[in-house]
Amino acid sequence: SQQGEEDPQALSIQEGENATMNCSYKTSINNLQWYRQNSGRGLVHLILIRSNEREKHSGRLRVTLDTSKKSSSLLITASRAADTASYFCATAPNNAGNMLTFGGGTRLMVKP
Amino acid sequence: DAEITQSPRHKITETGRQVTLACHQTWNHNNMFWYRQDLGHGLRLIHYSYGVQDTNKGEVSDGYSVSRSNTEDLPLTLESAASSQTSVYFCASSESERGYTGELFFGEGSRLTVL
Repeated sequence: SQQGEEDPQALSIQEGENATMNCSYKTSINNLQWYRQNSGRGLVHLILIRSNEREKHSGRLRVTLDTSKKSSSLLITASRAADTASYFCATAPNNAGNMLTFGGGTRLMVKP
Repeated sequence: DAEITQSPRHKITETGRQVTLACHQTWNHNNMFWYRQDLGHGLRLIHYSYGVQDTNKGEVSDGYSVSRSNTEDLPLTLESAASSQTSVYFCASSESERGYTGELFFGEGSRLTVL
C-alpha cells in the first residue's frame, strides 16, 4: 500500500501560472521528499523537508509540511513548459531505516 | 562524476525465463534499492540493501531476489519471469545517515516486457 497519496493525479496549467500539488500520508515520518520524473527517465530529487520543519524553499519551489494533518504541498511558482513532468512525494516513516515510500504521483503539464 | 547505471535499459523475455537486471553505482553509497513502477501503483519497493551481504525484502518481493557482494552492485534477479512482472524497474542508492533517510539517486530505469 502507498504511504503517500498525491492530489491531483493530473494538473494542466498555462506557462507563468503557479502549480500546487498535495501529498497526504498515513504514519509518522522522519522526513518527506519530493521528486520529479520526466517521461522515460529516472526520478530526480527536488527537496527534502524534515518533520520538525514547516516550510522550505528552493528556487521556484516551496514545500510545506503539516505533521498534524499528515500532509505536504509542493508549489511551483511561475511555471515553465520545462516543468512538465510527474511529481512524487516520498515519505520516510519513523523506524523504517533508510527506506522511502512513494505515492502515485501528480502528472503536471505546463502549456506554452 | 559519480553515477548510477542500469542495464539493460530494455529487455523482452519469455515467461519462465530467468532474468537479471544490473545496477552499478559509483557514489560509494551503502544503501541500494530496487523499485518497480506501474501505472496506478506508483513506485513499489522490491528489495533493498544497507551494505555488503545485507539484503531485505520490500513490499513486493515475491518472485525476485538480490545479492550484494560489493558496495557498487545490486543485481535484481527474476527467478522465473511472469507476465505480471512486466514493468519499469528502477535502482536507487543513498548515503547512510544515522536516524535519517537521505535523498535517493535513481538510475534511468530498465523496461522489462515478459511475453
